Amino acid sequence: NAGVTQTPKFRILKIGQSMTLQCTQDMNHNYMYWYRQDPGMGLKLIYYSVGAGITDKGEVPNGYNVSRSTTEDFPLRLELAAPSQTSVYFCASSRDRNEKLFFGSGTQLSVL
Amino acid sequence: AQSVTQLGSHVSVSEGALVLLRCNYSSSVPPYLFWYVQYPNQGLQLLLKYTSAATLVKGINGFEAEFKKSETSFHLTKPSAHMSDAAEYFCAVSDRSNDYKLSFGAGTTVTVRA
Repeated sequence: NAGVTQTPKFRILKIGQSMTLQCTQDMNHNYMYWYRQDPGMGLKLIYYSVGAGITDKGEVPNGYNVSRSTTEDFPLRLELAAPSQTSVYFCASSRDRNEKLFFGSGTQLSVL
Repeated sequence: AQSVTQLGSHVSVSEGALVLLRCNYSSSVPPYLFWYVQYPNQGLQLLLKYTSAATLVKGINGFEAEFKKSETSFHLTKPSAHMSDAAEYFCAVSDRSNDYKLSFGAGTTVTVRA
C-alpha cells in the first residue's frame, strides 16, 4: 500500500495564479482532510470529506475549493493565489471519524 | 468547542534523559486525545490515542501519556530520550461537539543532545 500520496512536493506560484494540489489514498478510507501547517500554529483544517460526493468546510476554507468524485481522490484547488496561502499543505485520510489519521508527505507552496 | 495548549514550543533534552511534553485541553464534553509526531520533511504519524478505556496510554517508540481529567491535561513522556526522538510533537483533541474533527496544538519541537 502506498497510503496517502500528495503531488507536487514543492511549488512556487505567482499572485493570482491557480493550481490544484492532488491527493489520493489506496486504503479505501471514507474520510479525507486537507490541513495547512504554518510555523508555530499547528495544523488548521481547510476542508474535509466524509465520502464521495460529500465535502464540508473546516476552520480556514476561504480561498480554497475541493471536490470528491471518487473515494480515492480529494484534490484541493487554489483559484487566485495570495501570499497568505504560502504554507505547507497536508492531505490525510481515516477509516472513520475519530480514527487514526494517515498523512501524506506534504506540499510546500510559496506564493510570491 | 475544543482547544489545545502545548506549553513550550521547544524542548531540549540530553540523550538518556526524561522527555516530558505538556498538553492541556479544553472540552465541554468527554474528549478523545491524541499525540502525533512529525519527523523532518514528513507527514504526521500517530504516537498514541486516549479513548477513555484507561488513563495511562502506551504508544509507539516507548512513549506514554496520562489523562488527568481534574487537570485537563494529557502530558507525553518517555523515560529515556534517544537521538531518533528529535522531531515535532503535536497534541490534538476531538469531541462530539465538533463532529469529532481534530483540533491541533501549536506543536513542540524536541532536540536531543548527545
